[in-house]
Amino acid sequence: AQKITQTQPGMFVQEKEAVTLDCTYDTSDQSYGLFWYKQPSSGEMIFLIYQGSYDEQNATEGRYSLNFQKARKSANLVISASQLGDSAMYFCAMREGTGGYQKVTFGTGTKLQVIP
Amino acid sequence: KAGVTQTPRYLIKTRGQQVTLSCSPISGHRSVSWYQQTPGQGLQFLFEYFSETQRNKGNFPGRFSGRQFSNSRSEMNVSTLELGDSALYLCASSLGQGGSNQPQHFGDGTRLSIL
Repeated sequence: AQKITQTQPGMFVQEKEAVTLDCTYDTSDQSYGLFWYKQPSSGEMIFLIYQGSYDEQNATEGRYSLNFQKARKSANLVISASQLGDSAMYFCAMREGTGGYQKVTFGTGTKLQVIP
Repeated sequence: KAGVTQTPRYLIKTRGQQVTLSCSPISGHRSVSWYQQTPGQGLQFLFEYFSETQRNKGNFPGRFSGRQFSNSRSEMNVSTLELGDSALYLCASSLGQGGSNQPQHFGDGTRLSIL
């Protein structure tokens, strides 16, 4: 089974609208972390937001928020007030394990295009 | 604080050659991970180094190897290059200790093209 599943290969959103990018995960660990990264066409991976498995509140970072539903094993990224500069690939990732046995797995990504 | 630095940014090689890529992590970060990114396979984990020791490894052939130095800088080597090795190679650093709440910080990548 895939550890991280991003079911939306591509998404379009109108400028200034909100958009939700889906991510589901699979782990048997109790302690894990979920991350979202943005990769513009230039190639660099930019860390956006983090959610810990024990965090009771959804993470927020500026226009980014993470809709964390632990029972459903989903960690969807919500971008509010989309901007043209948000057009990029978005990757969901999970870090499992502790100490020296941590492992990071990435999803296949969602390509977001913001339309003016 | 300086970010993760990867050199070179672009590299062109021919089949059969070997190549060495370099990564300098964020100061204080002791874990360095390497990823291969291609349009067909996405982002694939190569290996992770922590305190000069490889502690995790992905499913890549032995032609792919790496090492980490005492200052946490890391190098990745690919021998007997094949056309399929053309990819963006990304390096990521993190603190490397403690729980699972550490994000990885990525460099700009090295784009390797095999002719």
